[in-house]
Amino acid sequence: EAGVTQFPSHSVIEKGQTVTLRCDPISGHDNLYWYRRVMGKEIKFLLHFVKESKQDESGMPNNRFLAERTGGTYSTLKVQPAELEDSGVYFCASSPTEGGNEQFFGPGTRLTVL
Amino acid sequence: GENVEQHPSTLSVQEGDSAVIKCTYSDSASNYFPWYKQELGKGPQLIIDIRSNVGEKKDQRIAVTLNKTAKHFSLHITETQPEDSAVYFCAASIWDMRFGAGTRLTVKP
Repeated sequence: EAGVTQFPSHSVIEKGQTVTLRCDPISGHDNLYWYRRVMGKEIKFLLHFVKESKQDESGMPNNRFLAERTGGTYSTLKVQPAELEDSGVYFCASSPTEGGNEQFFGPGTRLTVL
Repeated sequence: GENVEQHPSTLSVQEGDSAVIKCTYSDSASNYFPWYKQELGKGPQLIIDIRSNVGEKKDQRIAVTLNKTAKHFSLHITETQPEDSAVYFCAASIWDMRFGAGTRLTVKP
């Protein structure tokens, strides 16, 4: 079974540019989560999809961040315009509706805003 | 909301020694406490978890203890090996996961 995949693995952009991160969850997982880790700090929750619906987006830092999950399969997280403080590693995780709380994480996308 | 504190931030042990990482949480409603191991270039991988109706759980060299009254839980790794070197995260969950800041464990051969 393929795990959670994320693309790209690294992205370096300049302040003011736009970046779109993609996450492909494990097939059949209805729950999809986005997290971010700024260097040396905790992994912070951004938002949670159940299928195509946003269940909880309380962790989204501001309106420069837009997450979508059209069709309830893969998800994108767009940052527009990017700021220096957006640098960090963005993780995606997925979990099935049934079977407990375990979340399966992707390898992350390292975003550097210069 | 839930707040998770994790200590220490770095831990260095000699191969064969034990390592202990401690976490506290703030929301008494949290009922699921996973521990993740993150190796370089990879995402966090679940290594062990415990639910709030259990006080201790063990899986080979790894054990987790939970004290609900004090709202703290700990990860114990015995007979550490160099391949245990990684960043470890604790988390507490009701519906969504809240993570600690991570502990960088180094096991010296």
